[in-house]
Amino acid sequence: DIQMTQSPSAMSASVGDRVTINCRASQGISNDLAWFQQKPGKVPERLIYSVSSLQSGVPSRFSGSGSGTEFTLTISSLQPEDFATYYCLQHNSFPLTFGGGTKVEIK
Amino acid sequence: EVQLVESGGGLVQPGGSLRLSCAAPGITFSSYAMNWVRQAPGKGLEWVSGISGSGDSTYYADSVKGRFTISRDNSKNTLYLQMNSLRAEDTAVYYCAKDWDLGEYWGQGALVTVSS
Repeated sequence: DIQMTQSPSAMSASVGDRVTINCRASQGISNDLAWFQQKPGKVPERLIYSVSSLQSGVPSRFSGSGSGTEFTLTISSLQPEDFATYYCLQHNSFPLTFGGGTKVEIK
Repeated sequence: EVQLVESGGGLVQPGGSLRLSCAAPGITFSSYAMNWVRQAPGKGLEWVSGISGSGDSTYYADSVKGRFTISRDNSKNTLYLQMNSLRAEDTAVYYCAKDWDLGEYWGQGALVTVSS
């Protein structure tokens, strides 16, 4: 099974901050990597697919990068509505696996 | 607009069974792989099972293999998850999600509580 190690597990940040969240795969996953955002009590929503493609309707302050086994989600200027939990997902092989999540809280 | 609507959640005793359904009206259902993803209270997301568009190929997480069965009825545009030998640790909100990459379409979730 491919393990997805996400870091940090939690962070405090201020509005306007640049935020980076990392995900490391235990083996290569090509570009089969997506990022999801989940707010409390809500259904997860996909932000990024294929490592760096922005989901339609998602603000351009969100971006994804990486290759091989190392991937990053960046929020260029954190907005109040961005306080949430973020998950990476690999869909290169079964079982599909999520990272453990990163909770972004208000500083 | 794609809509996925889960049903069948509820309270069940340990060792019991439950069947979840996910209706997907208005799409060419057989063209799409479908998945179940769950989230235990206060925990992260866990992929549970997936099935190809034809239903010929199925996949499971180790945590549910041998106890859960995924299936689909393409004539009814409906996905199912038969859950047997339920355990307390299966308590979660269960979501259905379209496509192998879990895509942009998820259901609203069905709560399954396993407790005596």
